[in-house]
Amino acid sequence: GAVVSQHPSRVICKSGTSVKIECRSLDFQATTMFWYRQFPKQSLMLMATSNEGSKATYEQGVEKDKFLINHASLTLSTLTVTSAHPEDSSFYICSARDLTGGEKLFFGSGTQLSVL
Amino acid sequence: QQQVKQSPQSLIVQKGGISIINCAYENTAFDYFPWYQQFPGKGPALLIAIRPDVSEKKEGRFTISFNKSAKQFSLHIMDSQPGDSATYFCAAVTGGGNKLTFGTGTQLKVEL
Repeated sequence: GAVVSQHPSRVICKSGTSVKIECRSLDFQATTMFWYRQFPKQSLMLMATSNEGSKATYEQGVEKDKFLINHASLTLSTLTVTSAHPEDSSFYICSARDLTGGEKLFFGSGTQLSVL
Repeated sequence: QQQVKQSPQSLIVQKGGISIINCAYENTAFDYFPWYQQFPGKGPALLIAIRPDVSEKKEGRFTISFNKSAKQFSLHIMDSQPGDSATYFCAAVTGGGNKLTFGTGTQLKVEL
């Protein structure tokens, strides 16, 4: 099946720094990727939809300036958490749809962000 | 507003037993219903999915039952194994869209 690679898998940073998370579709092209946030023992909450070559669409309540999304190519989307604070600590997951494979969405392995 | 309700929140099943997880939805525009399995520290993995024009879909030990009139669907895991211990999420997608609405998740533990 299609593979979505997410990097890094775990990051620890100091409060006030910025962290970039990469999401790559390895064997397919994805014009659209999605970024989710998941707190312990909770469901996935969609943060934003990343569109290749255009601005991302953010869900209500998600700060655009805090969570910067760039989708510069058909295989790469990045999420940058700017000026991270402890409350941004969470599990971030990306997903992408293989356009040749119907409606199946494939997920990355997630990034555990811990802000000290 | 929680558009997809999932139950139970947690479930303990003996090895070889049947695990059953239920979901209910409100939005009749949903037309694709996938189930995901998630292990700790990992992203969700697609297990099985169904469209509302069929009432049941089976893949190996996993079966989805779908009741369109009741707006309910369920996942059955036959011959449950310890390796099935994970969190399971149901989800729903509107037509032509990519946006998944997830259920709240069920933590399954299969005991020996």
